[in-house]
Amino acid sequence: GAVVSQHPSRVICKSGTSVKIECRSLDFQATTMFWYRQFPKQSLMLMATSNEGSKATYEQGVEKDKFLINHASLTLSTLTVTSAHPEDSSFYICSAQAAATTYEQYFGPGTRLTVT
Amino acid sequence: SQQGEEDPQALSIQEGENATMNCSYKTSINNLQWYRQNSGRGLVHLILIRSNEREKHSGRLRVTLDTSKKSSSLLITASRAADTASYFCATDSGGSYIPTFGRGTSLIVHP
Repeated sequence: GAVVSQHPSRVICKSGTSVKIECRSLDFQATTMFWYRQFPKQSLMLMATSNEGSKATYEQGVEKDKFLINHASLTLSTLTVTSAHPEDSSFYICSAQAAATTYEQYFGPGTRLTVT
Repeated sequence: SQQGEEDPQALSIQEGENATMNCSYKTSINNLQWYRQNSGRGLVHLILIRSNEREKHSGRLRVTLDTSKKSSSLLITASRAADTASYFCATDSGGSYIPTFGRGTSLIVHP
């Protein structure tokens, strides 16, 4: 099956610094990638949808200047949490769709971000 | 806003027993999907059921969909300790291919 990787799997950073999370589709080209945030024992909250070569579409309430998303190629999307604060600590998960007309999403293993 | 809501929030059973989880949603859907998430991991797609389907099977998994009641159920038969995970339903509606996730059911299967 299609594989999506995320790196790093865990990151601890100090308040005020920026953190970049990579999401890669390893064996297929992803026309669309999604970034989710998940709090403990909660559902996945969609943060933004990104298409290769175009600006990401952010969900309501998600600060686009704080959560920078770049989808530079059909196999790589990055999420940068800028000037991180403790409240940004969360589990961030990406997923990828192989085509715009499919419901199948392939999820990465997630990145645990802790901001101290 | 969240579309699907799972019930129960938590379920604890013994190995070998069946586990049933329910998902209710508010508006008409195109598709409903069930996903599994092991602790601290990403999601794994289990089954997609379309709005014109009533039941689907995959191994020990059985999913039903009742559009008149706006609900779905996921049945895991002969559960195993390895089935311990959180299970989420996700629905999509209108012209969107992006599913909206519920809060999930935490299943614990005791060996």
